[in-house]
This record gives sequence, C-alpha cells and structure tokens, in this order.
Amino acid sequence: NAGVMQNPRHLVRRRGQEARLRCSPMKGHSHVYWYRQLPEEGLKFMVYLQKENIIDESGMPKERFSAEFPKEGPSILRIQQVVRGDSAAYFCASSPRRGEGNQPQHFGDGTRLSIL
Amino acid sequence: AQSVTQPDIHITVSEGASLELRCNYSYGATPYLFWYVQSPGQGLQLLLKYFSGDTLVQGIKGFEAEFKRSQSSFNLRKPSVHWSDAAEYFCAVLISNFGNEKLTFGTGTRLTIIP
Repeated sequence: NAGVMQNPRHLVRRRGQEARLRCSPMKGHSHVYWYRQLPEEGLKFMVYLQKENIIDESGMPKERFSAEFPKEGPSILRIQQVVRGDSAAYFCASSPRRGEGNQPQHFGDGTRLSIL
Repeated sequence: AQSVTQPDIHITVSEGASLELRCNYSYGATPYLFWYVQSPGQGLQLLLKYFSGDTLVQGIKGFEAEFKRSQSSFNLRKPSVHWSDAAEYFCAVLISNFGNEKLTFGTGTRLTIIP
C-alpha cells in the first residue's frame, strides 16, 4: 500500500497519559499535515510540517500538543497529559511539494484516540 | 479568514435519484476547491478538485462539481446515486500562500441512500 500510513488505528489512553500518533507520508511526499476531527464535525487543521521544519502550527493547542517530522522516520503528533476533550480522530495528510495548491493532499485512515 | 459552509447536515435520496450537495465558501480571491468523501471509520478520499479553467470539473465515481464565482459556490452533483455512495461528504478550500497550505473544511453532509 503506497498510501499515507497512520498507526495505530485506535489508541486508548487514560487521563494524564501521553499519546503518540505516527504518520508515514506517501512515497515521494515531503509535506505532512495533521488534522483533528471531533465527533459530528469536520476536520480542523492543526499543523503543517516539512522535513525537520514546522511551517504552520496555527491550529495546534498552545499546551500539551507537539509535532515533528524528522529527517528519518515518520511524523509524530504527541499529546501529553491527555484529557477527555482530546478524544477525536486525528488524520494525517501528505503532498509531494508546494505547488501553489495544485498538489492535493492525500489522507490516511486516521487514528481514533479515546481517553478513559 | 476563509470559511466553508455546507448548509445540509444530512440528505436522504433514493437509489438511482440525482444528487446535489451544496457548498459555499468565503474568500476574496479564487480559491482551490475540493470535495472529499469519508466512509465510516475511514480516511478521506479525494473526489475532485478545482484550480482554474473549466468551471465544471469531473471526478471519480461519476461525480462532478461546478464552480460559480458569482455565488461563491462549488456544488457537488451526481446524476444517479448508488447505495455505495452513502458516506460523509466534505467540501474544502485551500488558500495557498507562501508557507501556508492548510485546508479549511466544511462541517460535512451525511448522505443516506434508501432503496
């Protein structure tokens, strides 16, 4: 499968624990985007990364959330000290390069995070 | 700031009937527009996109959409729906400025197909 790979598909955490969500972009894609989908809502942009750089994190909560896209390996979305309100589906998307918007983003199947 | 409105939260149509899902956007210039479909428990699949040129764009699975600048709309259509089209549909706009390429999504329209 050459698509965007996210794991785990489902993640259960207790309040106060840490959640790590991983995303491997499509082969040849160097741009990664993270979105969050709350129940019965559309997707909300969180962060846009290129290799080793955060380009736009305007959608990231100011505390407890961080993201990285290292030179080697997948992109990681990290949520520290999770709370019930973090329960959501987290989607990763990738695109090959900046192309003035004509490179559509391809989405993974998401990670469903549940907080007990 | 840009925004996307999908006024219909839930639509039910009979199999074989025609379909139109509405989408309105708010942005000062011509945006890049997309329709995605999401099946339960799955990610988003791109149906079609509009960047420029012909305002009627064709997508996968028999879908098409028409960009109307005067109405700030990008409605999705299909002449005859199939039971497999039941899903959630999201309209999205991308504003591509230097260093900024985030999609803004509507809240989605859930499509139910009845026999």
